[in-house]
Amino acid sequence: QSALTQPASVSGSPGQSITISCTGTSSDVARYNYVSWYQQHPGKAPKLMIYDVSNRSSGVSNRFSGSKSGNTASLIISGLQVEDEADYYCSSFTSSTTLVFGTGTKVSVL
Amino acid sequence: EVQLVESGGVLVQPGGSLRLSCAASGFNFSSYAMSWVRQAPGKGLEWVSGISGSGGITYYVDSVKGRFTISRDNSKNTLYLQMHSLRAEDTAIYYCAKVLGIGPTLTTPFDCWGQGTLVTVSS
Repeated sequence: QSALTQPASVSGSPGQSITISCTGTSSDVARYNYVSWYQQHPGKAPKLMIYDVSNRSSGVSNRFSGSKSGNTASLIISGLQVEDEADYYCSSFTSSTTLVFGTGTKVSVL
Repeated sequence: EVQLVESGGVLVQPGGSLRLSCAASGFNFSSYAMSWVRQAPGKGLEWVSGISGSGGITYYVDSVKGRFTISRDNSKNTLYLQMHSLRAEDTAIYYCAKVLGIGPTLTTPFDCWGQGTLVTVSS
């Protein structure tokens, strides 16, 4: 099972919106609505941000939203803030009855 | 407060064995599926293994099948990962993670993670 494909880095200025893509296959992202997004700050454990494609986890800002089209899921961060600078990972359930994570995206706030 | 505390990570030689533990508190442990997720130094996350709340159903990534065994002792609120035939590529921080809500093991996201324990496989 190969990792889902994410851009290595995405950057934006404070207040801007950015989109992180997560591309899978017909065996994972395209087939199931079990896509989650995690935020990880350096040296910290991951934090659940979005689950089931578009549901925000409790306490997560409504600046974070998720969507999916075909085999690509997306995390949108609007009104970018300095504290959003972190690594972001998508994950998906697969038809092999496993979980697969994305390659990870480093978000930089310029 | 939900808390997960991993332990057992050490430096081990290639081919060696190790058992990781994850002590859980603050929730009804037996009701929740759990997983182990690892992260090699400077690399991304990799799901390793998952187990149902009862312990009766387990899942593994192909690269650890036959070498790693996930288990749990619900009377002790503890999750385990027994690792054998360790390889250099198993070097990583190992996190235990609890699923959100009382749902299936692999389709329910992880809402709580431990701080991780570092396993280093090297001679």
